[in-house]
Amino acid sequence: EAGVTQFPSHSVIEKGQTVTLRCDPISGHDNLYWYRRVMGKEIKFLLHFVKESKQDESGMPNNRFLAERTGGTYSTLKVQPAELEDSGVYFCASSQWTSGNTIYFGEGSWLTVV
Amino acid sequence: QQQVKQSPQSLIVQKGGISIINCAYENTAFDYFPWYQQFPGKGPALLIAIRPDVSEKKEGRFTISFNKSAKQFSLHIMDSQPGDSATYFCAASFEAAGNKLTFGGGTRVLVKP
Repeated sequence: EAGVTQFPSHSVIEKGQTVTLRCDPISGHDNLYWYRRVMGKEIKFLLHFVKESKQDESGMPNNRFLAERTGGTYSTLKVQPAELEDSGVYFCASSQWTSGNTIYFGEGSWLTVV
Repeated sequence: QQQVKQSPQSLIVQKGGISIINCAYENTAFDYFPWYQQFPGKGPALLIAIRPDVSEKKEGRFTISFNKSAKQFSLHIMDSQPGDSATYFCAASFEAAGNKLTFGGGTRVLVKP
């Protein structure tokens, strides 16, 4: 069974540009989460989808970040326009609705804004 | 305000030794406490987890100790091996909040041969 996959694995963009990160959760997982770790800090929650609905987006830093989950399958996280402080690694994670609390993480998308 | 505080930030232990990582939490609503292990270039992977109705859980060389009254929990890695060298994150969550994880700051563990 494929795990959580994320694309791109690494991205370097200039300040002011737009970047879109994609996440494919484990098949059948209704819960999809986005997290972020900036250098030297803890991993922080960004938002939570249940199927195609945003359950909780309390961790989104500002309106430059937009997340979507079309049809309850893959998800995208767009940063527009990117700022220097957006640099970090963005993790996507997923879990089944009925499996309790086991959350599986992808390998992350490393974003560098220069 | 960091709701889960983790210490130490880094740890060096000799092969065969015991690695101990501590975490403290503030929100008494948390009801699930996992530990994640992360190798360079990889995502965090669930290592072991505990719920507050038990004080200890052991899986192989990994043990979680949980102290509900003190709002603290710790990870013990017995007989540490070089392959255990990684970053370890404690976390906490509760179902009413969608099981979203609140992480500690992480501990980089280096096991010297």
